[in-house]
Amino acid sequence: GESVGLHLPTLSVQEGDNSIINCAYSNSASDYFIWYKQESGKGPQFIIDIRSNMDKRQGQRVTVLLNKTVKHLSLQIAATQPGDSAVYFCAGGGATNKLIFGTGTLLAVQP
Amino acid sequence: GAVVSQHPSRVICKSGTSVKIECRSLDFQATTMFWYRQFPKQSLMLMATSNEGSKATYEQGVEKDKFLINHASLTLSTLTVTSAHPEDSSFYICSADSVGTQYFGPGTRLLVL
Repeated sequence: GESVGLHLPTLSVQEGDNSIINCAYSNSASDYFIWYKQESGKGPQFIIDIRSNMDKRQGQRVTVLLNKTVKHLSLQIAATQPGDSAVYFCAGGGATNKLIFGTGTLLAVQP
Repeated sequence: GAVVSQHPSRVICKSGTSVKIECRSLDFQATTMFWYRQFPKQSLMLMATSNEGSKATYEQGVEKDKFLINHASLTLSTLTVTSAHPEDSSFYICSADSVGTQYFGPGTRLLVL
């Protein structure tokens, strides 16, 4: 069945370093992907999205890369800050507007 | 823009009672809203898709008679957990679709005693 999963459950980085969070998906019909950030006790916060006709999209300090050949996407955070500490989810969508969420990666930023 | 609110933010109730959770899109209209449930340290699981003016579409394994969804306007969807039991304790999150992107509410923490 459909699934969107992450390679690493926990990622620990030093403040100021770059972070890379990975995500794999299995549904070839997925053509829209979103990264969300969820802080403890809060709802997911939209970070950045990408459609399948693109392989890279940049935002403020964040970049999402999509490799459709191997069904993989990643979220890169530049100059990681303590405020970036949270759980990050990738989610994929297709013809319907439903999203399937990955298992999440906990990003811990060490001062 | 694209702000979604939920009310209440947390609720404690006795087993057997019903609890209503509201989801509002504050600065946009949403014909489609979604309801998710999230258990501790787990991902979001889609419960149902709420469509304005029509019946909700439930995911497999979600009891429609237990989780009543009403989407009476373009800015409001409600989820009612009927005859709640301790196993219904969870974090319930709604989202609203705005031009193909889902924006999430802050969530409602439900504790059933």
